[in-house]
Amino acid sequence: NVLTQPPSVSVAPGETASITCGGDNIGSKSVHWYQQRPGQAPLLVISYDSARPSGIPERYSGSNSGNTATLTISRVEGGDEADYYCQLWETRSDHLVFGGGTKLTVL
Amino acid sequence: EVQLVESGGDLVQPGGSLKLSCAASGFTFTGYWMSWVRQGPGKGLEWVANINQDGRERYHVESVKGRFTVSRDNAESSLYLQMNSLRVEDTGVYYCARYSSGCFDLWGQGTLVSVSS
Repeated sequence: NVLTQPPSVSVAPGETASITCGGDNIGSKSVHWYQQRPGQAPLLVISYDSARPSGIPERYSGSNSGNTATLTISRVEGGDEADYYCQLWETRSDHLVFGGGTKLTVL
Repeated sequence: EVQLVESGGDLVQPGGSLKLSCAASGFTFTGYWMSWVRQGPGKGLEWVANINQDGRERYHVESVKGRFTVSRDNAESSLYLQMNSLRVEDTGVYYCARYSSGCFDLWGQGTLVSVSS
C-alpha cells in the first residue's frame, strides 16, 4: 500500500487512541478517515485532515504533517471498537487510495 | 431520508458478467460525483470507479480497466457498475458511495458479489 497503517491498536476505556497513516510527504495532501464497525458500511469520521462531519463526536480529531497523518480518539469507549482506514487522492496515479486499515481494540 | 441502496450482487462463475445498481434518494443526485468501493473477504477497502455528475468523466482502478464500467442514470437517480470477465479476486462486498470534495461522505450498505466455480 501507498499508505501504511499499523494492523492493530489496543487501548483501555477512557484512554486516548492514536492511529497513524504513513506516506511519502502525506502532509502535502488531504487525508480522510473512515470507521467501519463489524458488519457495517464505512462511516466518514474525519475529512480534510482534521474536519469533523456533522454527528461525529468531538473526541475524534485528526492531524497531518510530514510523512504521517494521525487519527486521535480521546476518552475511548467500547463503541469505538472498529476498523479505521485513511484515504487520499494520489495525484501521481490519479487514483483514490486507502490505507490497509487498523483494528482498534478496546481492552 | 438521505440514503444509497445497492442491489444486484450474486454468485457468478469466473468469466461471467453482473450488473450492480445503486438507488440514491434524499439528496440532489445530479450535484455529486459517485463511486464504487469494494472490500474482499477479510480485507481492506479498495476504490473501484468514479463518475462525474453528467457521466462524461469516468475513472477506474487499473485492475478492472477494460472489464468494469461505471455509469449513471440521472433521471432515475441511479448508479451502475457493469462487471464483465469476472475473476475470483473480484469477490467481495461492493459499496456505492457519494464522492464529495475528495472523500466518500455517504455509503450504502453494500451488495455481495461471489465469483466461484
